[in-house]
Amino acid sequence: DAKTTQPPSMDCAEGRAANLPCNHSTISGNEYVYWYRQIHSQGPQYIIHGLKNNETNEMASLIITEDRKSSTLILPHATLRDTAVYYCIVRSWGSSNTGKLIFGQGTTLQVKP
Amino acid sequence: ETGVTQTPRHLVMGMTNKKSLKCEQHLGHNAMYWYKQSAKKPLELMFVYNFKEQTENNSVPSRFSPECPNSSHLFLHLHTLQPEDSALYLCASSRGTEGDYGYTFGSGTRLTVV
Repeated sequence: DAKTTQPPSMDCAEGRAANLPCNHSTISGNEYVYWYRQIHSQGPQYIIHGLKNNETNEMASLIITEDRKSSTLILPHATLRDTAVYYCIVRSWGSSNTGKLIFGQGTTLQVKP
Repeated sequence: ETGVTQTPRHLVMGMTNKKSLKCEQHLGHNAMYWYKQSAKKPLELMFVYNFKEQTENNSVPSRFSPECPNSSHLFLHLHTLQPEDSALYLCASSRGTEGDYGYTFGSGTRLTVV
């Protein structure tokens, strides 16, 4: 079972920041937060991941709360091409774990003109 | 183009047919995965291979038979499928199964069983 909770859908105006929340209240110390997105009928695409510090790359920023029980993915200037299903995934490493990605329902982000 | 190539992109097969899905990556990755995505459902992990060895089978029916001849190629052999097996089948690869390794996904094969 997925260990995260996300709203099923969100809207965002083109050019504005899209803030996608994720709750992971049972996250443990060795678990990372990963974000992927899936544009209609394509394979999922990696966006960003983090452990406890905030992270930023060319696609997005990831803000993780101090207690690590929730996080927010920020797309700073959403475009119509960012319309997709966004998945927040908690994933652990370690020799006893295959480190597999388990997907939940995700959040369908609709960017509107 | 992600570096993971899946063929065919679309496949229609009868319930008595035998067909194979192919996945190929030249990213130097050692782990490969099959996922199934049915309509309106999350991706379901089916099989995991690491260095050509199967390390996970998530209770997948035997009518799905994976094969990994080397770290660059992964097949999913299909036989006597049911209409409910119609779905998008996605292949992914990663540098390994442990550690900070992201997955690279292919574009998938859209399978319709008639």
